[in-house]
Amino acid sequence: DADVTQTPRNRITKTGKRIMLECSQTKGHDRMYWYRQDPGLGLRLIYYSFDVKDINKGEISDGYSVSRQAQAKFSLSLESAIPNQTALYFCATSDLQRGTGELFFGEGSRLTVL
Amino acid sequence: AQSVAQPEDQVNVAEGNPLTVKCTYSVSGNPYLFWYVQYPNRGLQFLLKYITGDNLVKGSYGFEAEFNKSQTSFHLKKPSALVSDSALYFCAVRDGWDTGFQKLVFGTGTRLLVSP
Repeated sequence: DADVTQTPRNRITKTGKRIMLECSQTKGHDRMYWYRQDPGLGLRLIYYSFDVKDINKGEISDGYSVSRQAQAKFSLSLESAIPNQTALYFCATSDLQRGTGELFFGEGSRLTVL
Repeated sequence: AQSVAQPEDQVNVAEGNPLTVKCTYSVSGNPYLFWYVQYPNRGLQFLLKYITGDNLVKGSYGFEAEFNKSQTSFHLKKPSALVSDSALYFCAVRDGWDTGFQKLVFGTGTRLLVSP
């Protein structure tokens, strides 16, 4: 089983719909992140979190919100989806204590907004 | 702001030949640099990092990277390419140290295609 699990893996929706992408992890890491990947643009940080009381905006947070329901769960919401939010979304985790500096990624959620 | 540039969208190499995937960086202060690989329909996987110390960093799957401060480069290399190395490669730099978060700024990615 994957250490960082994202659901759904693929989703097609219509403009204006509310969408939630969910992420859960079994790595025991405290830090979690949401990134967006677009062809030719690489990955851009949307939100990141230390714990359930800590939410921080990243580079491109407009149009998105997040919820850290527990240390292991971090959800990304699009309140009213628009076509330019069509992208591949990645959840990632990291662990301060181990200090290795690497991010551990889920397998991605591909979202298409029509 | 920290940034990295990957000047090549795609690199083509024959199996068995050496490969280089280029990355240059722009940072204020000491650079913390990373390479990640993305195989089709998968998330990114960590390959290696440079924090301090030796300029030649060894990582997973036989990859290594050379840090060059004067040229502000961090090129990924492998002495002998495999077809299975074909993937999308991302260079990244840490964007500050904000209470221990790994806020990485990624390059645009370079697709490596290794032909048999």
